[in-house]
Amino acid sequence: KQEVTQIPAALSVPEGENLVLNCSFTDSAIYNLQWFRQDPGKGLTSLLLIQSSQREQTSGRLNASLDKSSGRSTLYIAASQPGDSATYLCAVHSGGSNYKLTFGKGTLLTVNP
Amino acid sequence: SQTIHQWPATLVQPVGSPLSLECTVEGTSNPNLYWYRQAAGRGLQLLFYSVGIGQISSEVPQNLSASRPQDRQFILSSKKLLLSDSGFYLCAWSVAGELFFGEGSRLTVL
Repeated sequence: KQEVTQIPAALSVPEGENLVLNCSFTDSAIYNLQWFRQDPGKGLTSLLLIQSSQREQTSGRLNASLDKSSGRSTLYIAASQPGDSATYLCAVHSGGSNYKLTFGKGTLLTVNP
Repeated sequence: SQTIHQWPATLVQPVGSPLSLECTVEGTSNPNLYWYRQAAGRGLQLLFYSVGIGQISSEVPQNLSASRPQDRQFILSSKKLLLSDSGFYLCAWSVAGELFFGEGSRLTVL
């Protein structure tokens, strides 16, 4: 059974700092990994999708990496801003004809002005 | 572009009352559709998923049911709500291996 862990559970940084969020998974036989952002009381917004054959994906100030062999993914946020404050979740798709993800519990990020 | 609509956004219901949450997707056809629940302090739990009209798979035994009467419509229901049904319910759809979520429905059962 796939298990996804996100460390740390919460992170507080000053504005402008570069930061890394971590995601680990127990079964390396994955189809893809997706990073989401969730603002309080809102749905999840897809940030980046990494296919199992890829090593990284970039979107603006965000860069996500994937190391399947070690069961790890990182989300790098450059030059953080107060608007980046949110909960960040990673989710792993372990394959199959349907599409079921295993989610981590998220990292609550606070960027202080 | 594709959009997903979910309603109602918020509802407060007494124990034992029925429930109906509705989700529709626009701009795509034959999507995979999902219902997730996010309880306070816990992770996201997949409740139901559907790969086509009338095709529903349940992930956990519970007080809820789901239906897909049309290609882009997904409904979450209950005949009698329990206190433990309180939570944040999220509809989602997937295409090309990527999952997209609606804005969610906050259910409080009193």
